[in-house]
Amino acid sequence: GNSVTQMEGPVTLSEEAFLTINCTYTATGYPSLFWYVQYPGEGLQLLLKATKADDKGSNKGFEATYRKETTSFHLEKGSVQVSDSAVYFCALSDPLNFGNEKLTFGTGTRLTIIP
Amino acid sequence: EAGVVQSPRYKIIEKKQPVAFWCNPISGHNTLYWYLQNLGQGPELLIRYENEEAVDDSQLPKDRFSAERLKGVDSTLKIQPAELGDSAVYLCASSLVAGPYVGELFFGEGSRLTVL
Repeated sequence: GNSVTQMEGPVTLSEEAFLTINCTYTATGYPSLFWYVQYPGEGLQLLLKATKADDKGSNKGFEATYRKETTSFHLEKGSVQVSDSAVYFCALSDPLNFGNEKLTFGTGTRLTIIP
Repeated sequence: EAGVVQSPRYKIIEKKQPVAFWCNPISGHNTLYWYLQNLGQGPELLIRYENEEAVDDSQLPKDRFSAERLKGVDSTLKIQPAELGDSAVYLCASSLVAGPYVGELFFGEGSRLTVL
């Protein structure tokens, strides 16, 4: 079945540091890949997505590239801010799984940025 | 535009009691999801509706959990009777996209259940 493995947290960085949160996946077919973010006290919200190999999703300074050869979708940001402190979830959907479309989430990575 | 609204935000009950959670999706979103999120874990799908039809309830523990989406708008998730292991956050989400491609899901803030 489909699964997502992401970097265990918590991750603590200083402001302006470079961020990488690793995510690898196992899926049948050609999944779409997502990063969701959950800020304190808020619901999950989509951060970025990529729907095919070599696509790069980007938003709010975050980027992730769909790498089919390494089955990865690592999240990166060049210079993090305190406001980026949140829990980040990698997820996939398998569009070939007709009739059972759903997101499969990783366990989440808690990120804390210190000033 | 109003987001996905869930209530209650927090609920504390004793085991064997019933509990219900309510969700109002974003207006016009035909697909509605209930997810379960245990502490330190990612959300796991319980049930998905397309309009008023439950099209995937394979992960819903049907002996104690039930859900309905009357008129294809808001939805209720019920647990009866609750067990200690049901303590978790229950997330509702909605989306516009149905069919073979899952698009962006819009989540509510969740209902946190504590069973004593």
